[in-house]
Amino acid sequence: ILNVEQSPQSLHVQEGDSTNFTCSFPSSNFYALHWYRWETAKSPEALFVMTLNGDEKKKGRISATLNTKEGYSYLYIKGSQPEDSATYLCAFEDSGYALNFGKGTSLLVTP
Amino acid sequence: EAQVTQNPRYLITVTGKKLTVTCSQNMNHEYMSWYRQDPGLGLRQIYYSMNVEVTDKGDVPEGYKVSRKEKRNFPLILESPSPNQTSLYFCASSLQTGGTEAFFGQGTRLTVV
Repeated sequence: ILNVEQSPQSLHVQEGDSTNFTCSFPSSNFYALHWYRWETAKSPEALFVMTLNGDEKKKGRISATLNTKEGYSYLYIKGSQPEDSATYLCAFEDSGYALNFGKGTSLLVTP
Repeated sequence: EAQVTQNPRYLITVTGKKLTVTCSQNMNHEYMSWYRQDPGLGLRQIYYSMNVEVTDKGDVPEGYKVSRKEKRNFPLILESPSPNQTSLYFCASSLQTGGTEAFFGQGTRLTVV
């Protein structure tokens, strides 16, 4: 099992705040890095899949960056809204056969 | 609608009573996998399948079996469930192995007493 670390473990912000999370993964044998959003009582949904060093992806107010050489990815949320409250999971793919998930960052956005 | 369907959503069973959790996808995906989620741990892969009749162990395969006789279905079988298999289970599929997003089922919350 590969070590994928996410920080912080949890985060509580006010509506309108911008926030970011970190995912650290092994810098060798990189294949892809995934971000998923997991709302309570629902199933995880893909936000981004990134494969190239320096990749930056954006979906609305959410964006992500990737540094494969140093083994980290950042997820940014601009102007957080209560509906952004969820657990954000990152997953490292080394061979194409398995996703190695971190424990997630739990985000709570209050009005 | 493109989806991954798991059944049942909730199940309480007794130790040793064989059970099957079904998983079906309608997206013609090649790759399917099973994960379990336990408190304080990330999603851990149980088994995966790269195509029909091709399956392999993930990180935590002990106590589980799978089969892939058709492309759309990937059932998870617990021949003799034990309390340490109490968990939240997710089935997932993706178009192919490597670098494509996974689509998850709704989850199955299993309790073994």
